[in-house]
Amino acid sequence: GNSVTQMEGPVTLSEEAFLTINCTYTATGYPSLFWYVQYPGEGLQLLLKATKADDKGSNKGFEATYRKETTSFHLEKGSVQVSDSAVYFCALSSQAGTALIFGKGTTLSVSS
Amino acid sequence: GAVVSQHPSWVICKSGTSVKIECRSLDFQATTMFWYRQFPKQSLMLMATSNEGSKATYEQGVEKDKFLINHASLTLSTLTVTSAHPEDSSFYICSARENRDRGTDTQYFGPGTRLTVL
Repeated sequence: GNSVTQMEGPVTLSEEAFLTINCTYTATGYPSLFWYVQYPGEGLQLLLKATKADDKGSNKGFEATYRKETTSFHLEKGSVQVSDSAVYFCALSSQAGTALIFGKGTTLSVSS
Repeated sequence: GAVVSQHPSWVICKSGTSVKIECRSLDFQATTMFWYRQFPKQSLMLMATSNEGSKATYEQGVEKDKFLINHASLTLSTLTVTSAHPEDSSFYICSARENRDRGTDTQYFGPGTRLTVL
């Protein structure tokens, strides 16, 4: 079946460091891929998405490229801020309008 | 942007009682809403898909008689945990898909409800 695997956390970085959170997926067909962020005490927010191979999603300095050949959708940011501290979830949707399949989430902690 | 609310945000109840959780889309209509459950330090697991005006579709292993879902209008879905037990303690999250985005994957998530059963 479809699944998402994320790197284990927590990830602890200093402000302005480079961030990579790995995400790989298993799915039939051509899923859409997402990154969601959950700030402390809040609900999940869509951070970025990509709907087909080689698409790059970007938002708030975060980027992720849909790599079908490696079935990956790694999240990157060139310079993290303390305010980026949150839990990040990689997810896929196998078909438009269906429920999302989530990875386990990666906690990011950024210190000044 | 689209906003989804949940009520209550947290609830503590005694074992054997029932608890109702509401999920509302505040500024859009949603034919379909999803209910997820999140255990500590774990991922979100889909429990059921709630469809306005019809029966919910439950995932394998989710007891439909225990987790009653009612999607009575285009802006409201409710999840009732019947005869709750401590093992039902969890974080319950709903999401809604805006009708006009029917051909896309955009979902908006509620802030979640923390249920603790004593």
